[in-house]
Parts: sequence; structure tokens; C-alpha cells
Amino acid sequence: DQQVKQNSPSLSVQEGRISILNCDYTNSMFDYFLWYKKYPAEGPTFLISISSIKDKNEDGRFTVFLNKSAKHLSLHIVPSQPGDSAVYFCAASARNSGGSNYKLTFGKGTLLTVNP
Amino acid sequence: GAGVSQSPSNKVTEKGKDVELRCDPISGHTALYWYRQRLGQGLEFLIYFQGNSAPDKSGLPSDRFSAERTGESVSTLTIQRTQQEDSAVYLCASSLWGGDEKLFFGSGTQLSVL
Repeated sequence: DQQVKQNSPSLSVQEGRISILNCDYTNSMFDYFLWYKKYPAEGPTFLISISSIKDKNEDGRFTVFLNKSAKHLSLHIVPSQPGDSAVYFCAASARNSGGSNYKLTFGKGTLLTVNP
Repeated sequence: GAGVSQSPSNKVTEKGKDVELRCDPISGHTALYWYRQRLGQGLEFLIYFQGNSAPDKSGLPSDRFSAERTGESVSTLTIQRTQQEDSAVYLCASSLWGGDEKLFFGSGTQLSVL
């Protein structure tokens, strides 16, 4: 049972254009969402996050949008750069009874290729 | 070192053998996590350590898997009697505290069980 779904295994965009990566979730208890980026032979690195009390969070070229009613989030990268080419993982967590969000559930990832 | 260090980077073993994977977290990080990524899949949570609290072992797939952590430093993940379905990249991560969204991952150990 996949609780976090990234339905596009890959995405190719031109340098300078917008990249939009999508993620859907099924668990209504999720209240914190994150995006990680992974280069080959390296571990994932944290990119941006959003709490369920917000619908948008922006950090430089990266913006995450959350639509709770649709259980959908997206990551926008604008403008896209060749160095953004990587696998992007969507992740979600639910606050436990102790108030901690430590257990992340990841999607399968989307390979983004930005062409020069 | 500056980052999370994992060893070995690659491990090839025969079915039925035991393997031990090591993780050195970032100094000062109280929380440590093990995840694994099987081919074509997302990262799966395995186990979580936070300070001296009892670890959350709820993600360990079977009793062949175990992990230990010495204080707030090194952790080892042990897989006994390895099976082919254990083949995966095993990723260790640490964070300043449990629930901190910024997990710092190591490069992982690629385990191949023949």
C-alpha cells in the first residue's frame, strides 16, 4: 500500500523553463511534507518542506504547493538549471502521540533532466 | 568528518551469510535513522534512535534485522542469514533531534546478495 505516490518516473525540461514535480498521498494523518533531491551515488539531501497549516512555501527558485483537499503537493523549480538534474523524492510524516514527526514515508522518486 | 559516513560502500555476499553495516553520524546529532531503498522503490523506514530512548524498530522487516547504536555515535545494522530480497541500498541518516526535517543522509551501502 503506497501512501505517497509520485506517478511520473521521469520528467525532461529545457533550461530556463519551469519544472513541476507532482506527489499524491493517501494518508490523511500526514501533516508534514518534504522534498529531497538525490544525485547518483550520493544520499538524498533535504530541499524544502511544508506544514499542513500552509498551502505554499518558497525558497529561492523552489516552491512547494500543498492542496490538502486533493491530497496533492507539487514542487516548482523556476528557472530550471542543468544542475537541478537529479531524482526528487516526495516524503510525508504524521505527528505521533509524542508530538514527533520523525518517521518519513517516501515516494519512489521522479528523475528530472534539465537540458541545456 | 563533516557528513554522515557509511561503510562499506558496497557489499556482495552469499545467501545465508551475515552482514554488518556501519554508520557514523554527524557529531552532535542526537537522532539516527536507517532506511533502505530497493530497486525502483522509495526509501523504506527501518529503525530510529533518539538519544538514550528506546529505539523505534517498527520498520525492521524481519527478526533477521537488528541494529544498535552506541550512545549518540556509531550505529551498526546487522542482517543475519541474508536473502536475495535483502539486496538494496541501505541509507543511514542523522539529524539534530528527532522530528527535525533536515535529515542528513550518508551515501549508503549497496548490498547485493547472490
